[in-house]
Amino acid sequence: NAGVTQTPKFQVLKTGQSMTLQCAQDMNHEYMSWYRQDPGMGLRLIHYSVGAGITDQGEVPNGYNVSRSTTEDFPLRLLSAAPSQTSVYFCASGDYSYEQYFGPGTRLTVT
Amino acid sequence: DQQVKQNSPSLSVQEGRISILNCDYTNSMFDYFLWYKKYPAEGPTFLISISSIKDKNEDGRFTVFLNKSAKHLSLHIVPSQPGDSAVYFCAARLGSSNTGKLIFGQGTTLQVKP
Repeated sequence: NAGVTQTPKFQVLKTGQSMTLQCAQDMNHEYMSWYRQDPGMGLRLIHYSVGAGITDQGEVPNGYNVSRSTTEDFPLRLLSAAPSQTSVYFCASGDYSYEQYFGPGTRLTVT
Repeated sequence: DQQVKQNSPSLSVQEGRISILNCDYTNSMFDYFLWYKKYPAEGPTFLISISSIKDKNEDGRFTVFLNKSAKHLSLHIVPSQPGDSAVYFCAARLGSSNTGKLIFGQGTTLQVKP
């Protein structure tokens, strides 16, 4: 099993650009989530999904969009990138909301 | 409003000694608590967890203690090893098993010196 994969590993965007961070898992997990990690802030939940077709907001959802059309994939869309969205983004999946498996992360810089 | 707090950004201990990482929370509705470990340039990995109906859970060198009245969680690592050097996040679950959210603390960087 590849586990949780994220692409790209690194990305630089200009303010106002949009992009999609990809996340895929091959463990047939129902629960998937996106977090961002910022210095001194820990991991903050952006959006999560409890199954295909079902998504909900986390702690910091503004500026991000998600959809879950399949069990395997959970892409995160930045609608109009802002410097405040410079961060490391982690996707995770699990059978439940706890004991999640995390991907390696995407480091995003918005200039 | 930080519902899960790790007030010590860093901790340094000698190899072989005990490492104690602390975590405080404010929401009494949390029903499950976890510790994750993170190495640089990698995603966090699950380490150990405890249900709110217990006060202790042990797994090898790692023990998690929960004091519900104080809303305090701690992770003990005995004995500490250099490979334990990493960032440790505590997390708390709000909601049911398959729909709940995990709320993370800010993290504590542990350095174990040989």
